[in-house]
Amino acid sequence: DAGVIQSPRHEVTEMGQEVTLRCKPISGHNSLFWYRQTMMRGLELLIYFNNNVPIDDSGMPEDRFSAKMPNASFSTLKIQPSEPRDSAVYFCASSQNDQGARGYTFGSGTRLTVV
Amino acid sequence: QQPVQSPQAVILREGEDAVINCSSSKALYSVHWYRQKHGEAPVFLMILLKGGEQKGHEKISASFNEKKQQSSLYLTASQLSYSGTYFCGTESGRAAGNKLTFGGGTRVLVKP
Repeated sequence: DAGVIQSPRHEVTEMGQEVTLRCKPISGHNSLFWYRQTMMRGLELLIYFNNNVPIDDSGMPEDRFSAKMPNASFSTLKIQPSEPRDSAVYFCASSQNDQGARGYTFGSGTRLTVV
Repeated sequence: QQPVQSPQAVILREGEDAVINCSSSKALYSVHWYRQKHGEAPVFLMILLKGGEQKGHEKISASFNEKKQQSSLYLTASQLSYSGTYFCGTESGRAAGNKLTFGGGTRVLVKP
């Protein structure tokens, strides 16, 4: 299995531009999570999906952030317009959410720099 | 609310032992432990469900005290490869749908 695949690995953009981060979860995993990691705030959950349905987006900072999961094998996180404070590493993770709790598999992350 | 990890950092010599603690103010359904090396993604180590069980991964083991809402990770006879930042992730209930809240992390450096 190729694991959780994220793209791009690095993104440098100017303030005000739209940024789209992509994620392909592990086949068969029905839960998908978007986390943001910074030195100041650590690993923060932004949003998660179960069976392609958004369950909790309370961690999404503001309306500039949006996420979609149109099918079981693809999700996007969009920031429009981007701001310097959005600079962080964004991780996508997937898990099999069934009767027993399962661990997450994280993607390699997207390092976003907004200048 | 974020679980609290202690210590924030620890330096070990190869072969020494260490304990990392994770405390939550909420009742817990499960606790996960992950290790992240610099510039890489967190990697799943183990999960503990309520019931006070103890698990192991190589010479790394963990316990979960459901009543105290605490978990501890034990690094035994540490190896150089154990260096990294360790995170606990807590799940407050199955209704939360496997959603984890992560602690601030504990940096571990194992020296030769």
